[in-house]
Amino acid sequence: DAKTTQPPSMDCAEGRAANLPCNHSTISGNEYVYWYRQIHSQGPQYIIHGLKNNETNEMASLIITEDRKSSTLILPHATLRDTAVYYCIVRVAFRNTPLVFGKGTRLSVIA
Amino acid sequence: NAGVTQTPKFQVLKTGQSMTLQCAQDMNHEYMSWYRQDPGMGLRLIHYSVGAGITDQGEVPNGYNVSRSTTEDFPLRLLSAAPSQTSVYFCASSYSQFYEQYFGPGTRLTVT
Repeated sequence: DAKTTQPPSMDCAEGRAANLPCNHSTISGNEYVYWYRQIHSQGPQYIIHGLKNNETNEMASLIITEDRKSSTLILPHATLRDTAVYYCIVRVAFRNTPLVFGKGTRLSVIA
Repeated sequence: NAGVTQTPKFQVLKTGQSMTLQCAQDMNHEYMSWYRQDPGMGLRLIHYSVGAGITDQGEVPNGYNVSRSTTEDFPLRLLSAAPSQTSVYFCASSYSQFYEQYFGPGTRLTVT
């Protein structure tokens, strides 16, 4: 699976949009982009995933560039409860490969 | 649904002791996995299973055994605990490896 690069930390003001970047320049055509987050010491929580089209759900939006070499996770109105470590993961669908977590981005939402 | 449950929540072991961390899910998921997370680090995969009777090694399998006799349960056995196994252990399950994974609350293990 392709490697991902994320900034180690980011700050965001409460109520503003949080934009978390992820670089995956070696992504191949059958690899999906997944986002998970881990709040404090809880188990990770799935957020969203996509292949090439932009995706939106009740938690976030995922914007994937046309060349698929990078993506951005957008939390439209960040709250203090969104403070967490966010992991961007690239993996092949329909193959027995597990999720591989990197170090992620620590997002701090500030009041 | 209870989701993914893990027991115990906390455990202290002495070096050389053995124990089993329990993981159960009630969502009829085929895929289950065990991760460990050391302080300030991301999660590392220990073992995983794609269905009852089938298990495979992850990134850091040494010192751990697993088995999968039922769809619901996926216990992780520490054969002879070492201080290097002090960590937080997370179990996860999903319908298949392609779908979103649901994680348990974790077991915090300290080996002295």
